[in-house]
Amino acid sequence: GAGVSQSPSNKVTEKGKDVELRCDPISGHTALYWYRQSLGQGLEFLIYFQGNSAPDKSGLPSDRFSAERTGGSVSTLTIQRTQQEDSAVYLCASIPPPGQGAGYGYTFGSGTRLTVV
Amino acid sequence: GENVEQHPSTLSVQEGDSAVIKCTYSDSASNYFPWYKQELGKGPQLIIDIRSNVGEKKDQRIAVTLNKTAKHFSLHITETQPEDSAVYFCAASPDSGSARQLTFGSGTQLTVLP
Repeated sequence: GAGVSQSPSNKVTEKGKDVELRCDPISGHTALYWYRQSLGQGLEFLIYFQGNSAPDKSGLPSDRFSAERTGGSVSTLTIQRTQQEDSAVYLCASIPPPGQGAGYGYTFGSGTRLTVV
Repeated sequence: GENVEQHPSTLSVQEGDSAVIKCTYSDSASNYFPWYKQELGKGPQLIIDIRSNVGEKKDQRIAVTLNKTAKHFSLHITETQPEDSAVYFCAASPDSGSARQLTFGSGTQLTVLP
């Protein structure tokens, strides 16, 4: 597609439920990132996928958070047993391979606003 | 790891005036410094970036300056317009091949008053 697509755009869930957030990156972009943006805060790195390499999970805040990227394209971020502090906007970004496209610039999706009640 | 600090957190200017946002970073290995603009309800959008081999870069009304010795970089917006109102984020990254993980500042809410 023309840009990074995230779904759903908004999600309200009850505390303790599991949620799945989806990111569809730009076709051909080999790297994909998930960031979390809490109200009034900056962007907190969560996880990074690069091609077929093992993902960098160093930013995941707890073992309730996991992510996968199937076929080197679509990625799903899963949050199990959601807590109120998980409420935030979850942003996905992709970048092209080195030497192609916009260089080092991330292209972000519009995010998923997650509210845990 | 890298730590990026951004100031001010909020900034109000009159239309037509200039706006300056400043960031400092901690990791001397960082050599890529992008700036993002985030409008309400949208994801951040890259507006300008600078590599460490240059000290200044300009694109129409926006410019970025970099002082590697002092580890700080700044965004300058001239002749501000109401549509410049948004949250601006700075970021820094080491250029380690394909691993281009950005560390972001906490953002600046810019309001341009008509």
